[in-house]
Amino acid sequence: GEDVEQSLFLSVREGDSSVINCTYTDSSSTYLYWYKQEPGAGLQLLTYIFSNMDMKQDQRLTVLLNKKDKHLSLRIADTQTGDSAIYFCAESIARIQFYFGTGTSLTVIP
Amino acid sequence: KAGVTQTPRYLIKTRGQQVTLSCSPISGHRSVSWYQQTPGQGLQFLFEYFSETQRNKGNFPGRFSGRQFSNSRSEMNVSTLELGDSALYLCASSQIAYRYNEQFFGPGTRLTVL
Repeated sequence: GEDVEQSLFLSVREGDSSVINCTYTDSSSTYLYWYKQEPGAGLQLLTYIFSNMDMKQDQRLTVLLNKKDKHLSLRIADTQTGDSAIYFCAESIARIQFYFGTGTSLTVIP
Repeated sequence: KAGVTQTPRYLIKTRGQQVTLSCSPISGHRSVSWYQQTPGQGLQFLFEYFSETQRNKGNFPGRFSGRQFSNSRSEMNVSTLELGDSALYLCASSQIAYRYNEQFFGPGTRLTVL
């Protein structure tokens, strides 16, 4: 199966940390991704992690991967109003086919 | 480099009609994928083309078809439109890299079926 699941909504206050969670089912995934979609725009790649890694940090973004539980999370430190968007996690198998989650709509409250 | 472009950006059709959407990938990208995005369903994979060949297909009825031209531009066709086909259709292009395969998305075509 290629089910990728995310919670639909998350609200945080400006300056707090946001944590967006994702579970996937295919253990043969090679790469896992986080994409951001702003209103009226396509998806923009934020970060990715190779399946043999546990953690990746990129400025305010931290990705944690628990391969045993097939759980991926994205932490955004010091969340800003400009971070309000829909965040999608995705897995790729053999670098060809991508499976996306339903997306988590993040609302940052000033 | 210009990004992925999709035309038209908006379309309104009626049930039973057919529609063709176009996607121009980033120069040098040979892989083009199509997705359907609906609220609550996320992105559903339609198909992927590489060098004019369909390599992968999602779980959509035969009314959805596509093709890719020698210049890597791709078209997607939906015949006999249904109300449930109303969605944002996204195209993504990629260049197979040796480490990971980043997909670059276009802004999408918003299709409304009345």
